[in-house]
Amino acid sequence: DAKTTQPPSMDCAEGRAANLPCNHSTISGNEYVYWYRQIHSQGPQYIIHGLKNNETNEMASLIITEDRKSSTLILPHATLRDTAVYYCIVTPQGGSEKLVFGKGTKLTVNP
Amino acid sequence: DARVTQTPRHKVTEMGQEVTMRCQPILGHNTVFWYRQTMMQGLELLAYFRNRAPLDDSGMPKDRFSAEMPDATLATLKIQPSEPRDSAVYFCASGFRAGNFAGELFFGEGSRLTVL
Repeated sequence: DAKTTQPPSMDCAEGRAANLPCNHSTISGNEYVYWYRQIHSQGPQYIIHGLKNNETNEMASLIITEDRKSSTLILPHATLRDTAVYYCIVTPQGGSEKLVFGKGTKLTVNP
Repeated sequence: DARVTQTPRHKVTEMGQEVTMRCQPILGHNTVFWYRQTMMQGLELLAYFRNRAPLDDSGMPKDRFSAEMPDATLATLKIQPSEPRDSAVYFCASGFRAGNFAGELFFGEGSRLTVL
């Protein structure tokens, strides 16, 4: 599985957009980008995933660069409840599709 | 809402004792994962099953850990004998996989294990 690089921590003001970057320069053609988050002491929660096109759902938007070597998760209006560790994971869909979690980015949303 | 149910939520035991953690995956999901989380190692994949058959348990210490799915509604993770270094939060997750389709994983709330 391709490895990912994320900043260890980020801060964001409540109500502002949170943009979380992820580098995955060794991603291969059949690998998807998944984002999960883990709020303190809870199990990880799925946010969004994509292959090459930008994706949006009720939680977030995922922007993938044209060369697919990096992506950005956007929380458009961050709230205090979005404070969590955010994990960017690259894995083939289908096949083994096991999710290997890295260290993630600790996002702190400040009032 | 459908959810993954894990029991027990908390377990304190003494070194050498057997520990069994249970997971009820979401009905209809055919893939079950076991993860372990510690401050030092983060989230580690221990094992996972598809249609009750083990697909990969390479992340699991073989000498003391065992994982099974007696039926489609129950997954178990057993540690015998337990050691202090097994202290962690153990998460179960389930999802549906078919061909090239892989849906999101749903995680349980975890079982916090403390081995004294």
